[in-house]
Amino acid sequence: RKEVEQDPGPFNVPEGATVAFNCTYSNSASQSFFWYRQDCRKEPKLLMSVYSSGNEDGRFTAQLNRASQYISLLIRDSKLSDSATYLCVVNNPGRDDKIIFGKGTRLHILP
Amino acid sequence: ETGVTQSPTHLIKTRGQQVTLRCSSQSGHNTVSWYQQALGQGPQFIFQYYREEENGRGNFPPRFSGLQFPNYSSELNVNALELDDSALYLCASRDIQAGTYEQYFGPGTRLTVT
Repeated sequence: RKEVEQDPGPFNVPEGATVAFNCTYSNSASQSFFWYRQDCRKEPKLLMSVYSSGNEDGRFTAQLNRASQYISLLIRDSKLSDSATYLCVVNNPGRDDKIIFGKGTRLHILP
Repeated sequence: ETGVTQSPTHLIKTRGQQVTLRCSSQSGHNTVSWYQQALGQGPQFIFQYYREEENGRGNFPPRFSGLQFPNYSSELNVNALELDDSALYLCASRDIQAGTYEQYFGPGTRLTVT
């Protein structure tokens, strides 16, 4: 099983729709979870952290299911400017304590 | 802007050459991580530096090495460049003592090996 796995995408979604991204992680000891956004040929930018109780920031909602080792990101009322690649990020406790990125899911919002 | 800077922005090298990439961390951040991002892939963790020592490494060969300086800035060195080393190299900084894994990225260096 890959350390962090995301929906392969791309997602082509009409403007105004709701879109959901899913991510699974393999290390049950992981404690920190994030969603990053990456625009074409740019660096990843922190979108939001994911907390155990779930958290919301405007149109964005992140949820964590520790039992299933699953993270989700929901975008409501999608805008053209939401078009980007969304990266799931998890810390990997252990000897190296790495921060692991998923491959990313590309989102295209269609006018 | 995150305050993390990288240089150069673009670089073209020939197979077998050596390259040094540089990163200045955000003010107050003591930990720097380096990532390699190939086209269409997520960033792959190369290594992390804290207190001028490597304290975490991904699955990269020894020809990938690094340094961290007292001001927390960092270098990534790659020897004996191969064509597959062509990628976007990203550095990210964070404050390890803040107890968070939130990290902030520089704009990256795009390396092309011919």
